[in-house]
Amino acid sequence: AQSVTQPDIHITVSEGASLELRCNYSYGATPYLFWYVQSPGQGLQLLLKYFSGDTLVQGIKGFEAEFKRSQSSFNLRKPSVHWSDAAEYFCAWGNAGNMLTFGGGTRLMVKP
Amino acid sequence: NAGVTQTPKFQVLKTGQSMTLQCAQDMNHEYMSWYRQDPGMGLRLIHYSVGAGITDQGEVPNGYNVSRSTTEDFPLRLLSAAPSQTSVYFCASSIQGARSETQYFGPGTRLLVL
Repeated sequence: AQSVTQPDIHITVSEGASLELRCNYSYGATPYLFWYVQSPGQGLQLLLKYFSGDTLVQGIKGFEAEFKRSQSSFNLRKPSVHWSDAAEYFCAWGNAGNMLTFGGGTRLMVKP
Repeated sequence: NAGVTQTPKFQVLKTGQSMTLQCAQDMNHEYMSWYRQDPGMGLRLIHYSVGAGITDQGEVPNGYNVSRSTTEDFPLRLLSAAPSQTSVYFCASSIQGARSETQYFGPGTRLLVL
């Protein structure tokens, strides 16, 4: 089955350190890919999205993601993490059936 | 704009009870959807609608009904609640679809079924 996988359930980084959250998808054609963030007790907010073109996508809050077709990956990165980035992050894939499929999520904790 | 609103924020039900989770949006979006969020499973699509009068099943539709009589509202009905339906429910909307568009999420409804 076509799916989205986030291998890391929890990640802890120190404030100011760099961050990379992994996302892998299983789909043959060029996918429509998204990263959403969920702060505690809140709904989800879009960070960035990729459809085609430049494989490095810039988003809000200083986040970026790189699409790598050869690795079926769409990893999220941030060069310097702030305490306010502590949240849960979801990778998602938009399919032709007009549905969004989410990964299981990665919970980010930030150490002071 | 209020965006996407959901009521109630929290609900406790007994097994077998029915209830309706409300969702409304004021952005004139055609596409609306319901997800449930369970630990480690991300969000799973329950039902969606591409416009008034049109609904379709998502990944986990069993035990839930929806209708879309207006563009603004998309209620989710639990006909006979079961403990397995304990979850956090999110409503989302977008201009036309889910494949390539930004989804706007409500704040969620936390449901506990005893």
